[in-house]
Amino acid sequence: GENVEQHPSTLSVQEGDSAVIKCTYSDSASNYFPWYKQELGKRPQLIIDIRSNVGEKKDQRIAVTLNKTAKHFSLHITETQPEDSAVYFCAASPWNTGNQFYFGTGTSLTVIP
Amino acid sequence: DVKVTQSSRYLVKRTGEKVFLECVQDMDHENMFWYRQDPGLGLRLIYFSYDVKMKEKGDIPEGYSVSREKKERFSLILESASTNQTSMYLCASSWGQGNRAYEQYFGPGTRLTVT
Repeated sequence: GENVEQHPSTLSVQEGDSAVIKCTYSDSASNYFPWYKQELGKRPQLIIDIRSNVGEKKDQRIAVTLNKTAKHFSLHITETQPEDSAVYFCAASPWNTGNQFYFGTGTSLTVIP
Repeated sequence: DVKVTQSSRYLVKRTGEKVFLECVQDMDHENMFWYRQDPGLGLRLIYFSYDVKMKEKGDIPEGYSVSREKKERFSLILESASTNQTSMYLCASSWGQGNRAYEQYFGPGTRLTVT
């Protein structure tokens, strides 16, 4: 089955700096890659996603890049703010698994004011 | 606005008890999922369902069963709770159209403690 690895597990940045979280996947059938943000005590919520026919997608300060050949994808957050502090999860979904998501183990991001 | 609700936010049960966790979604989603979330392990899929009365095992189904009698409701059952099932349980739902994956919407979670 699919295996998703996520790094780093913790990340601290100064407010205004950029943050990058990287994930790798193993199954070439994966074609959908969502990123979720989970604030303390709250449910995970989708912040951005990308499909395998696209190499990059941006939404304001957040961007995701996908390298299908290398089987890795990354989340980029620019101009970080304290409210970006949360746990971020990447996931991969192989097309032949009935919409199953395989999640990474999460990155705890702390933005220091 | 998609709404996924879970029957309890916090639950304390004793070892050996039968435990029911319920999840309801109001968006007519075909797919529903049960995950457990443990520190350092991310979200691990227990079971999922792509239609009423249909179920598929996820990565960690041992010790759990599920029931989906109605499209909007998906129940997770711990037949005989054990202390290693102490965890946060998250339900999710999504649209399902063939092999195209869509965003999963999560419920608020149930923190289960088994003593």
